[in-house]
Amino acid sequence: DQQVKQNSPSLSVQEGRISILNCDYTNSMFDYFLWYKKYPAEGPTFLISISSIKDKNEDGRFTVFLNKSAKHLSLHIVPSQPGDSAVYFCATGGGNKLTFGTGTQLKVEL
Amino acid sequence: DAGITQSPRHKVTETGTPVTLRCHQTENHRYMYWYRQDPGHGLRLIHYSYGVKDTDKGEVSDGYSVSRSKTEDFLLTLESATSSQTSVYFCAISRRMENTEAFFGQGTRLTVV
Repeated sequence: DQQVKQNSPSLSVQEGRISILNCDYTNSMFDYFLWYKKYPAEGPTFLISISSIKDKNEDGRFTVFLNKSAKHLSLHIVPSQPGDSAVYFCATGGGNKLTFGTGTQLKVEL
Repeated sequence: DAGITQSPRHKVTETGTPVTLRCHQTENHRYMYWYRQDPGHGLRLIHYSYGVKDTDKGEVSDGYSVSRSKTEDFLLTLESATSSQTSVYFCAISRRMENTEAFFGQGTRLTVV
């Protein structure tokens, strides 16, 4: 049973507009939440995180929102740039390991 | 970039043969992980280690074993490779139990024919 779900396998956005990537989780015991970005033929790289005691964290163009009551996590990228085109994985953590979602392929078009 | 190296980067092997993938780190991080990435499944944890000789199973551990005799090396062995183990394998490392940020290697593409 998938504990972390990214229901949109792909997303296409125009350059300069906002990209919103979504993630749902089932386990209310998760302590922290992260987003990773992955380019082809490379390993995932950490993007941004948020702990369960917060509902928003911002880092430049990237903002992560956490809605604990809905068990929902989202990543906002604004403005979107062509270099943001990649697969984005959300991940939830607790204990010794991370549990990843299935990923969303973001394509930012000119 | 975190000092983490996976070897080999690519491998083709025959069904039924044993295969060992190596992950080497120079960061002295305590925690090491092996994931596999497959279309439609994202990244799934195979095994992880929380110290030398301390390992535990992840969600897809069947058919895999691991060993960690030194802090810097974490080996993943496919005891008898099957076509279902064709995948891209990623090693990751992290400093803390909370694992607020893990660093990934570049991956090993394994094809079992």
